[in-house]
Amino acid sequence: DQQVKQNSPSLSVQEGRISILNCDYTNSMFDYFLWYKKYPAEGPTFLISISSIKDKNEDGRFTVFLNKSAKHLSLHIVPSQPGDSAVYFCAARAGGSQGNLIFGKGTKLSVKP
Amino acid sequence: GAVVSQHPSWVICKSGTSVKIECRSLDFQATTMFWYRQFPKQSLMLMATSNEGSKATYEQGVEKDKFLINHASLTLSTLTVTSAHPEDSSFYICSARDASSLAKNIQYFGAGTRLSVL
Repeated sequence: DQQVKQNSPSLSVQEGRISILNCDYTNSMFDYFLWYKKYPAEGPTFLISISSIKDKNEDGRFTVFLNKSAKHLSLHIVPSQPGDSAVYFCAARAGGSQGNLIFGKGTKLSVKP
Repeated sequence: GAVVSQHPSWVICKSGTSVKIECRSLDFQATTMFWYRQFPKQSLMLMATSNEGSKATYEQGVEKDKFLINHASLTLSTLTVTSAHPEDSSFYICSARDASSLAKNIQYFGAGTRLSVL
């Protein structure tokens, strides 16, 4: 049973436009959400996170939105740049600070010049 | 950000041999380290969680005698794939959680190790 779902395996966006990556989850006990970026043959790099008590967190070109009632979060990248092309993983945590992260399958973002 | 060093980045071995993968936190103390496995076009699958000085906790379906984990210090964890077989070929990634950032629960990842078993 997949608790964290990224239903779009890939997304293609034009440079300068907005990229919106979506993530849905089923476990209402998740209290912290993170986005990681991963280039081929490299480990994931932490991008941005959000606590369940918030509905938005912004860091430069990256903004994460959380809709708890819909159990949905999204990552917005604006403006998108070719260097943003990577696989983006959504992760969620339950069980407080000692809880493990549950990852989605990832969405491959391609930003075209 | 914090740096996690994973070595080697790629290893090719013969079937039946054992391979050790090292994971080091370079600029922070990691009370907890995680080992993941990633299959092509799949998500990161947690194999085991290790806390410094104690036995690792393995996820269901992961053979602890096959994948030996040692977390002997606050900066080093090792994964040994014993008697490797072609089906063990995969991308293995470690991550470490900074003890000082528990509230944020940010895990920092190594670059991964591609294991190819012939």
